[in-house]
Amino acid sequence: GENVEQHPSTLSVQEGDSAVIKCTYSDSASNYFPWYKQELGKRPQLIIDIRSNVGEKKDQRIAVTLNKTAKHFSLHITETQPEDSAVYFCAARSWGGGGADGLTFGKGTHLIIQP
Amino acid sequence: GAVVSQHPSWVICKSGTSVKIECRSLDFQATTMFWYRQFPKQSLMLMATSNEGSKATYEQGVEKDKFLINHASLTLSTLTVTSAHPEDSSFYICSAPPGLTVLRDTQYFGPGTRLTVL
Repeated sequence: GENVEQHPSTLSVQEGDSAVIKCTYSDSASNYFPWYKQELGKRPQLIIDIRSNVGEKKDQRIAVTLNKTAKHFSLHITETQPEDSAVYFCAARSWGGGGADGLTFGKGTHLIIQP
Repeated sequence: GAVVSQHPSWVICKSGTSVKIECRSLDFQATTMFWYRQFPKQSLMLMATSNEGSKATYEQGVEKDKFLINHASLTLSTLTVTSAHPEDSSFYICSAPPGLTVLRDTQYFGPGTRLTVL
């Protein structure tokens, strides 16, 4: 099965600086890579995703890059703000062919934005 | 975006009792729903895939007789934790991809159910 590694487990940055979270995956058949933001006690919220036919995707201050050859993908947040503080999870999903498959999540990164 | 609801949001029960959690897609139909479990300060772990009109698919290590899943309609899946024990205390979250093929990758999560077994 798929195995997703995520680093770092905790990331503290100054407000206004950039934050980068990295993930690697093991299954070369994985073709969909979402990133979720989760605040304490709440549901994960999809913030950006990328499919394997694309190398980079950007949405305002958030961007994701994918390197299929190396099997890693990264989340980039620029101009960080206090409300960006949360736990971020990367995930990967293999297309089973018969329908939607569940996600394999990384262990999460606790992002702390220092004012 | 697509909305997924769960009920109840939290539940406290005695050891040995059974608890049912509902997951509903409110504005779309979902032939597939997923159940995840999240222990405190840990990641989400896929427990099972719920398929409308057929048996659920369980991940390795998840006891199908303990975690009963019923996907009775295109908008409702239920997870029943049978004979619950304190180690079953966790945050249970469901998710569902919208029905459109092009968007089937995307999964929207329910608000989760906090289960505490005394």
